[in-house]
Amino acid sequence: ETGVTQSPTHLIKTRGQQVTLRCSSQSGHNTVSWYQQALGQGPQFIFQYYREEENGRGNFPPRFSGLQFPNYSSELNVNALELDDSALYLCASSPRRSDTEAFFGQGTRLTVV
Amino acid sequence: QKEVEQNSGPLSVPEGAIASLNCTYSDRGSQSFFWYRQYSGKSPELIMFIYSNGDKEDGRFTAQLNKASQYVSLLIRDSQPSDSATYLCAVNGPSSASKIIFGSGTRLSIRP
Repeated sequence: ETGVTQSPTHLIKTRGQQVTLRCSSQSGHNTVSWYQQALGQGPQFIFQYYREEENGRGNFPPRFSGLQFPNYSSELNVNALELDDSALYLCASSPRRSDTEAFFGQGTRLTVV
Repeated sequence: QKEVEQNSGPLSVPEGAIASLNCTYSDRGSQSFFWYRQYSGKSPELIMFIYSNGDKEDGRFTAQLNKASQYVSLLIRDSQPSDSATYLCAVNGPSSASKIIFGSGTRLSIRP
């Protein structure tokens, strides 16, 4: 158990809808990163939040957005869902910004139909 | 060229043998190197990290880093059926700022 929790665990949405995924970071961790993992691929970095500010972003369109709250929990929002957004979405928390190991939550499996 | 490359496998190793997993990376500025284990349908679990050239041992696992060759490896001694999983190599460093870059993973199968 890493202490990182994500909700929901599974979700089915229709193309064009919007979705919000949630993550509670491990106690003492102020950095949260989000990753998308398609089947058979490694996780792809979406963005990172450090003390409520975005601290780096991967190659994802603006319809992927996020937030971090004062308690360091975080949300990932995806607008205008596309079929290719179907994936496992992983949240990882770290005790420090960058250059350190990340501990993953159990993930949210999103299916877009 | 992919930033982190791994052989996708599957790599089949008999129980009790040594499993050797390899990874190369393209960014010479990378400073931190990780191995994650991922069981089917589960999230990645950090099993080893290494920052300096050489070997780092933890139980049955040994991580090896050669920055000059941009090469990272993971050795698993006395392989067990429970080691059957996908192993993800990942790197992080100043050039990649805050993100960890993952390879696509190597599927390892330990046969009894």
